Amino acid sequence: SQTIHQWPATLVQPVGSPLSLECTVEGTSNPNLYWYRQAAGRGLQLLFYSVGIGQISSEVPQNLSASRPQDRQFILSSKKLLLSDSGFYLCAWALGGDGFFGQGTRLTVV
Amino acid sequence: AQSVTQLGSHVSVSEGALVLLRCNYSSSVPPYLFWYVQYPNQGLQLLLKYTSAATLVKGINGFEAEFKKSETSFHLTKPSAHMSDAAEYFCAVRGGGADGLTFGKGTHLIIQP
Repeated sequence: SQTIHQWPATLVQPVGSPLSLECTVEGTSNPNLYWYRQAAGRGLQLLFYSVGIGQISSEVPQNLSASRPQDRQFILSSKKLLLSDSGFYLCAWALGGDGFFGQGTRLTVV
Repeated sequence: AQSVTQLGSHVSVSEGALVLLRCNYSSSVPPYLFWYVQYPNQGLQLLLKYTSAATLVKGINGFEAEFKKSETSFHLTKPSAHMSDAAEYFCAVRGGGADGLTFGKGTHLIIQP
């Protein structure tokens, strides 16, 4: 069966520090991968998606970037965090219509 | 472009009462629709999905939803609320970038004892 791992679960980072969140998927090949952000009162917003290794598309302009160095690995990064980057980040994968989510990372920028 | 509107950011019902969470969608193509539940500080768990088969979809935990094309709605219901149903519920339509999901803003379900 397919599983998705996302870490860390919680993270507190100072403004201006770098960020790296990692997501890996098991039990499937060549999935579409997604990063979502959930900010208070704003629902879930799609940030990035990837249809293959090295292929990244951004849905909204922001202080973040994403990379897909391997088929089942998706990384969300920032060089310098802003206060507005705080939120709950969710990785997801999809293949054939279903969407499966990781457990999320609660990021607090202080 | 696809969009989802969830009516009511907070819904409060008594334990044992009917749960009704409203979702309306906009889609330029026949939609695939989803309901997810999120417990505090956890990821999203799929409750049910509509993929153009039966219009009444049964999901986990006693939830079901009915697709009504004429009303562009996909409301979530449960006949009898349980305390464990207290959570955030998200309606979503497939069709974002690379078939990603476009979500509503969520409805926080509160269960009164």
